[in-house]
Amino acid sequence: QVQLVQSGAEVKKPGASVKVSCKASGYTFTNYGISWVRQAPGQGLEWMGWISAYNGNTNYAQNVQGRVTMTTDTSTSTAYMELRSLRSDDTAVYYCARSGYGEYYYMDVWGKGTTVTVSS
Amino acid sequence: EIVLTQSPGTLSLSPGERATLSCRASQSVSSSYLAWYQQKPGQAPRLLIYGASSRATGIPDRFSGSGSGTDFTLTISRLEPEDFAVYHCQQYGSSPLTFGGGTKVEIK
Repeated sequence: QVQLVQSGAEVKKPGASVKVSCKASGYTFTNYGISWVRQAPGQGLEWMGWISAYNGNTNYAQNVQGRVTMTTDTSTSTAYMELRSLRSDDTAVYYCARSGYGEYYYMDVWGKGTTVTVSS
Repeated sequence: EIVLTQSPGTLSLSPGERATLSCRASQSVSSSYLAWYQQKPGQAPRLLIYGASSRATGIPDRFSGSGSGTDFTLTISRLEPEDFAVYHCQQYGSSPLTFGGGTKVEIK
């Protein structure tokens, strides 16, 4: 079955970086994109950006632009999201979700989420 | 950026009742690229509706979506115990993709 398996929880200090992985299975990885969405404690969902697994094209949200890099490894069907210069308000659950071939698409399969805690 | 406003914030209903959730956009959503997701505590969101009115695979027909332009509605015809959750709308017609603040459907 189609699934996305994310890496485990992380605890980081302010100013550090975190890299979350998302391994896809059950479908042709390069036929879709991956979106990243985060959810701060008790808050709503926030879209961070999208990457095409076909050609690596990306579209980042303005509020994380410059601090985030999304990549894919097609040999292992894995997507990665790296967030740098972490701040306390980056504390959230980070989700990867299968998205469309193009960037304007809904998210039909979600990973279980990776909790990232930023604390000194 | 398209701002999505969901109402009400909380809906208190009993099993078997009908739920009507609203999602209003600050500007027209391109091509009705509007999705609805269900999220239960401690779980990831689950896609219910895309394209404003198309049910995702495996979603029961008690869930229906409607609307266009700036006004969209998710209707649950008869609430089952497993339907009590938070519902998010999302527009994916223009960048940045945005979500509404969510509507919590709770047991009355």
